[in-house]
Amino acid sequence: GENVEQHPSTLSVQEGDSAVIKCTYSDSASNYFPWYKQELGKRPQLIIDIRSNVGEKKDQRIAVTLNKTAKHFSLHITETQPEDSAVYFCAASRAGGSYIPTFGRGTSLIVHP
Amino acid sequence: KAGVTQTPRYLIKTRGQQVTLSCSPISGHRSVSWYQQTPGQGLQFLFEYFSETQRNKGNFPGRFSGRQFSNSRSEMNVSTLELGDSALYLCASSPDQRIQYFGAGTRLSVL
Repeated sequence: GENVEQHPSTLSVQEGDSAVIKCTYSDSASNYFPWYKQELGKRPQLIIDIRSNVGEKKDQRIAVTLNKTAKHFSLHITETQPEDSAVYFCAASRAGGSYIPTFGRGTSLIVHP
Repeated sequence: KAGVTQTPRYLIKTRGQQVTLSCSPISGHRSVSWYQQTPGQGLQFLFEYFSETQRNKGNFPGRFSGRQFSNSRSEMNVSTLELGDSALYLCASSPDQRIQYFGAGTRLSVL
């Protein structure tokens, strides 16, 4: 089955800095990579996703990059703000078919004001 | 549309007891998945139901079981509770398996 490794487990940055979270996956058939944000005491919510036919996707201050050859993908947050503090989960899955996402263990991002 | 609703929000049980958790998916979503969340372990997949059938199963012991009703509502049951079962149990519904819409979770404490 699929295995997703996520690093780092904790990331502490100053407000305004950039933050990068990296994930690797093992199943070359995976072609859909979502990222979820879970604020303290709240439910995980999808913040951005990327399909394997795209190398990069941006949405305001967040972006995701994908390297299919190396089987890794990353979340980039620029100009971090205290409200970005949360646990971020990456996941990998196949679009279509009976295959649900496999999640990484999560990265706790702390943005210091 | 109403979001995914899980009940109860909190549960306290003792070892050896059993527990049933409930999940109402977003209207129109037929796929319902359950996850166990513990510190440091992330989101561990328990099982997925689609049209009242278990379609996928994670690596959890048989004490963990579930079912789905014709209205897509789902229940999860844990029998013979152990201390290590203490966790946040998240239910997620999806129109297509890819995007998971999570509920707020049920916090289970086993004493």
